[in-house]
Amino acid sequence: QKEVEQNSGPLSVPEGAIASLNCTYSDRVSQSFFWYRQYSGKSPELIMSIYSNGDKEDGRFTAQLNKASQYVSLLIRDSQPSDSATYLCAVLPKIGNEKLTFGTGTRLTIIP
Amino acid sequence: SAVISQKPSRDICQRGTSLTIQCQVDSQVTMMFWYRQQPGQSLTLIATANQGSEATYESGFVIDKFPISRPNLTFSTLTVSNMSPEDSSIYLCSVKGTRAYNEQFFGPGTRLTVL
Repeated sequence: QKEVEQNSGPLSVPEGAIASLNCTYSDRVSQSFFWYRQYSGKSPELIMSIYSNGDKEDGRFTAQLNKASQYVSLLIRDSQPSDSATYLCAVLPKIGNEKLTFGTGTRLTIIP
Repeated sequence: SAVISQKPSRDICQRGTSLTIQCQVDSQVTMMFWYRQQPGQSLTLIATANQGSEATYESGFVIDKFPISRPNLTFSTLTVSNMSPEDSSIYLCSVKGTRAYNEQFFGPGTRLTVL
């Protein structure tokens, strides 16, 4: 079992709709969870971090964490063509361990 | 977040040669990391660059192949030695942010092609 799993996509979403990206992780003691956006040919950009169960909202982005289910998701509301990118889920296993483990990423395409 | 720069941004190298990649941060940071992203793949941690001591390498990566220096809290280098086409990748440095959270921020990357 991979440590961090994501559907590779591609995921196609109409402009203006909600894009839902999912990630599961295997290490139950993981503490910190991150979503990175990576445009083609560019480096990953941190867009959301979440540490506690529940939802965290930032603009059009909402991160959701469910530690019991070992599941973290990212919702993008009012999707725009500029949201088309690969979204990487990353997990830090425990406090004091600084090594991020990345999922393989989900390629998202917003259709105008 | 800190501003991170990398040099070179890209290079094309011949098999058997070595390339040194530089990572510069505009503020002092406690932790710096080097990652590799092979074509179409996700990111893999190569090593943690430790200031004033030897880097900590992940499984599958060795110092002879990927020597790392970190002379101070704002600068690190990664050398890719005796390159082969399999080393063609994007190499990224990242730094831990200054907030209490464990956020990491990436430099722009170095795209390496080995012929």
